[in-house]
Amino acid sequence: DIQMTQSPASLSASPEEIVTITCQASQDIGNWLAWYQQKPGKSPQLLIYSATSLADGIPSRFSGSRSGTQYSLKISRLQVEDTGIYYCLQRYSNPPTFGGGTKLELK
Amino acid sequence: EVQLVESGGGLVQPGRSLKLSCVASGFTFSNYGMNWIRQAPGKGLEWVAYISSGSSYIYYAETVKGRFTISRDNAKNTLYLQMTSLRSEDTALYYCARRNWVDYWGQGVMVTVSS
Repeated sequence: DIQMTQSPASLSASPEEIVTITCQASQDIGNWLAWYQQKPGKSPQLLIYSATSLADGIPSRFSGSRSGTQYSLKISRLQVEDTGIYYCLQRYSNPPTFGGGTKLELK
Repeated sequence: EVQLVESGGGLVQPGRSLKLSCVASGFTFSNYGMNWIRQAPGKGLEWVAYISSGSSYIYYAETVKGRFTISRDNAKNTLYLQMTSLRSEDTALYYCARRNWVDYWGQGVMVTVSS
């Protein structure tokens, strides 16, 4: 199975800051990566798919990038409503595997 | 509006069975592959199973293979997960979710396996 190592496990940032979350794939997965946000008590929501494509209705302050087998989610101009847990998911091969999650809190 | 509504969860003893359902609306269900994804209390997300739009391709996580069966009825816009030989580690919130990129999720249904 492909392992997705997500970091950091948690972070705290102030509004308007820029934050970056990364996922390292254990092997090449091309652009078969998605990012999700899960707010407390809610279902996850798709943010980014195909590593860099913004999902419908997602603010442009969210962006995804790829460098080799490392994938990043950047949130520019952090907002209070961005609090939650963020997960990456690889869909390159079965079984699909999620990263362990990053808990984002605002100061 | 895309909606996925799960049902069928509850408290069940170890070794027993349970069948989850997910009714889809707001899109052409028969055109999309579907997933079951679960989340144990306080834990991360774990993909469980996938079924293609016409049921030709079915995949399972190793942790459930041989015990769970995913199926669908496109005429009823409904996805199913038959769970047998349930274990305590199957305790989780089970989400029904659409397509490979998992662009829509249901609200989840809780399954608790305990004696």
